[in-house]
Amino acid sequence: GAVVSQHPSWVICKSGTSVKIECRSLDFQATTMFWYRQFPKQSLMLMATSNEGSKATYEQGVEKDKFLINHASLTLSTLTVTSAHPEDSSFYICSARANTGELFFGEGSRLTVL
Amino acid sequence: DAKTTQPPSMDCAEGRAANLPCNHSTISGNEYVYWYRQIHSQGPQYIIHGLKNNETNEMASLIITEDRKSSTLILPHATLRDTAVYYCIVRVAPANTGNQFYFGTGTSLTVIP
Repeated sequence: GAVVSQHPSWVICKSGTSVKIECRSLDFQATTMFWYRQFPKQSLMLMATSNEGSKATYEQGVEKDKFLINHASLTLSTLTVTSAHPEDSSFYICSARANTGELFFGEGSRLTVL
Repeated sequence: DAKTTQPPSMDCAEGRAANLPCNHSTISGNEYVYWYRQIHSQGPQYIIHGLKNNETNEMASLIITEDRKSSTLILPHATLRDTAVYYCIVRVAPANTGNQFYFGTGTSLTVIP
């Protein structure tokens, strides 16, 4: 199956700093990528839809200035958590939509904010 | 919003078939049923999807009722590595752009030795 890679797989940062997470589709082009957040023992929550070359569409309740999404190319989307706080600690997962319409998920990035 | 309901947890003996049910009573005519699973601390893995006919692949079988209001994912011979959270998702036809996947609470399957 298609491969979606996330980097870093885990990151620890101090409160107040910004953290960037990359999502790459390795063997296909993805015009649309999605970002999810998952807290322990909970399901995945869709944060935003990222479309190549345009602004991301955020789900209700997700702060667009807090979670900056950039989808500058057909194989790369980035999520930047700005001024991170301990409550932002979570498992962040991206997915990329192939031309067939199928979604392929990354391995996830675990963020811990001290 | 998720449009599916699943039991929160199930156990299955190793080597036996695991049958995971999903209710999607409000499914629309153009919505597919997708199944993904998530092993602890990993990204979701695609299993299978279908519209109205039963489907089978190397991983599992998907049985969809005639009225399409429910479905069952069948893992024919469960192994310990099948222990995971299984998500049933309904979604409009895959060719449409921008269709989001909304995850419900899923079923936590534990395969017991």
